[in-house]
Amino acid sequence: DAKTTQPTSMDCAEGRAANLPCNHSTISGNEYVYWYRQIHSQGPQYIIHGLKNNETNEMASLIITEDRKSSTLILPHATLRDTAVYYCIVRVYFSGSARQLTFGSGTQLTVLP
Amino acid sequence: DTEVTQTPKHLVMGMTNKKSLKCEQHMGHRAMYWYKQKAKKPPELMFVYSYEKLSINESVPSRFSPECPNSSLLNLHLHALQPEDSALYLCASSDRGMPGEGGTGELFFGEGSRLTVL
Repeated sequence: DAKTTQPTSMDCAEGRAANLPCNHSTISGNEYVYWYRQIHSQGPQYIIHGLKNNETNEMASLIITEDRKSSTLILPHATLRDTAVYYCIVRVYFSGSARQLTFGSGTQLTVLP
Repeated sequence: DTEVTQTPKHLVMGMTNKKSLKCEQHMGHRAMYWYKQKAKKPPELMFVYSYEKLSINESVPSRFSPECPNSSLLNLHLHALQPEDSALYLCASSDRGMPGEGGTGELFFGEGSRLTVL
């Protein structure tokens, strides 16, 4: 799986959009970008994934650049409960078998009141 | 039901004890995982089971012994652990993420079992 680079930490004001960047310059054509987050002392939680088109769900939006070498996770209206470590992971999607996640260091997002 | 249930939530054990961590899911997933997470570090993969067979062992010491008795259950047997094995142990499950099967390949994680070895 391709390696990812994320900032160590970010702050965001409550109610504002949180934009979390991720670099994955060695991504392969069959690798998807996944985002998970881990709230303190809980298990990681899936947020969203995408291949090359922008994706949106009830939690977030994922913007992937045209060359697929970087992406941005957007939390449109951050709340205090969004304070967590956010992991950007690149992973083959269709594999036909178990396909583990390899976690990088992630970004600690702190939403400030 | 999209839950992965782990028991116990907390476990304290001595270095000579034998204990087990348990994980259960009822989502029909055929892949299950054990991860270990030390404080302020990302989760690290330990074992992967696919269709109840061990498919990946990330060079984990033999004092950790995984078991998958059926497609819904995953155990981690612990024996003669060291204090440095104290960590949060996370279980996860996933579908195969194959086209046409309706799955996404995402991993569903439990809340973890926090282990302290004295």
